[in-house]
Amino acid sequence: DIQMTQSPSSLSASVGDRVTITCRASQSIYTYLNWYQQKPGKAPKLLISAASSLQSGVPSRFSGGRSGTDFTLTISSLQPEDFATYYCQQSYSAPWTFGQGAKVEIK
Amino acid sequence: QVQLQESGPGLVKPSETLSLTCTVSGGSISGYYWSWIRQPPGKGLELIGYIYYSGSTNYNPSLKSRVTISVDTSKNQFSLRLTSVTAADTAVYYCARAFGGLDYWGQGTLVTVSS
Repeated sequence: DIQMTQSPSSLSASVGDRVTITCRASQSIYTYLNWYQQKPGKAPKLLISAASSLQSGVPSRFSGGRSGTDFTLTISSLQPEDFATYYCQQSYSAPWTFGQGAKVEIK
Repeated sequence: QVQLQESGPGLVKPSETLSLTCTVSGGSISGYYWSWIRQPPGKGLELIGYIYYSGSTNYNPSLKSRVTISVDTSKNQFSLRLTSVTAADTAVYYCARAFGGLDYWGQGTLVTVSS
């Protein structure tokens, strides 16, 4: 199985901060990388697919990047509604696997 | 707007079979992959497996011996069966559509394994 490792596992940030979460794949997954946001008690929401393609309706402050097997989710200016847990997921090879999650908390 | 809704028992006894159904509305089940994902309380997401509308399946190797996913295109539904459950199978179970990423999700249903 392809292992997905996210860092950091949690972070504290303030409204307006620029936040970056990293996800590293254990092997090449090309751009088969998706990002999700999950709020407590809710289903995950797809933010970005194919490493950098923003889903319809997702604010432009969210962006995704890739360098080899390292992927980033960046929130350019953190908003109150962005405090949540973020997961990466590879869809290159079955079984699709998720990162362990990165919790963004209010400082 | 595509909507997914999980249904099934919220309590299952150890060693018994967990059965859930996902009903898709607002769109056809044809042409897509459909998946089951679970999340133990306070933990991360785990893919259980997925099925193409034509019936071909792919399961997480860690669960493969206990899992069956099936599809009923006439009812716009797909289903999950997980046999020989233990307390470790207690989780919120989600169904989702796979198109690029997992773009539409059900609200999730908590299944507790307990006697």
